[in-house]
Amino acid sequence: DTGVSQDPRHKITKRGQNVTFRCDPISEHNRLYWYRQTLGQGPEFLTYFQNEAQLEKSRLLSDRFSAERPKGSFSTLEIQRTEQGDSAMYLCASITPGTPYNEQFFGPGTRLTVL
Amino acid sequence: KNEVEQSPQNLTAQEGEFITINCSYSVGISALHWLQQHPGGGIVSLFMLSSGKKKHGRLIATINIQEKHSSLHITASHPRDSAVYICAVLIQGAQKLVFGQGTRLTINP
Repeated sequence: DTGVSQDPRHKITKRGQNVTFRCDPISEHNRLYWYRQTLGQGPEFLTYFQNEAQLEKSRLLSDRFSAERPKGSFSTLEIQRTEQGDSAMYLCASITPGTPYNEQFFGPGTRLTVL
Repeated sequence: KNEVEQSPQNLTAQEGEFITINCSYSVGISALHWLQQHPGGGIVSLFMLSSGKKKHGRLIATINIQEKHSSLHITASHPRDSAVYICAVLIQGAQKLVFGQGTRLTINP
């Protein structure tokens, strides 16, 4: 257990539905990352926050995806109008300022299946 | 071509064998990470390298900055080492990691 938690761990939804995932980082960590990992591949960067500010978004993050970190603590990732191609593991990671070379602590992930 | 390439993609070995997983990258980096992912998804950091070599128990990681190459070695492999091993680089000037596709290691008893 790295101290980063994600909820839910598994989500099955029908195409077209909206889903929301939550990530709770380690409490003193001010930077939070979201990644997507499809089967047999490494994680791909989606977005990251420094406190409540969203500083970078990948072009992978289409307009159906939105992420928030309203108080600089937990974060949510919402996918609207889900598509089968959204099926993946969604990972969250956090780091604390001054961490050398961006050492990240990963949550267990939320596995999304879109039927 | 991906910025980070790992080889092999899959590796099966017998308990006790010496294991090597390779990672090559094509960009300037500040650091390279080796990560371990067990079934179920959780990822843990094994090593962070900016130069040279690090050792932790039976695991050894090396990096050659000039050749843009890193290796992860496991000595006296054990079935509990079975996992996906992922190489990730921190690109110079960036604040995000770029990941390889992972190497699935299976150690048979």
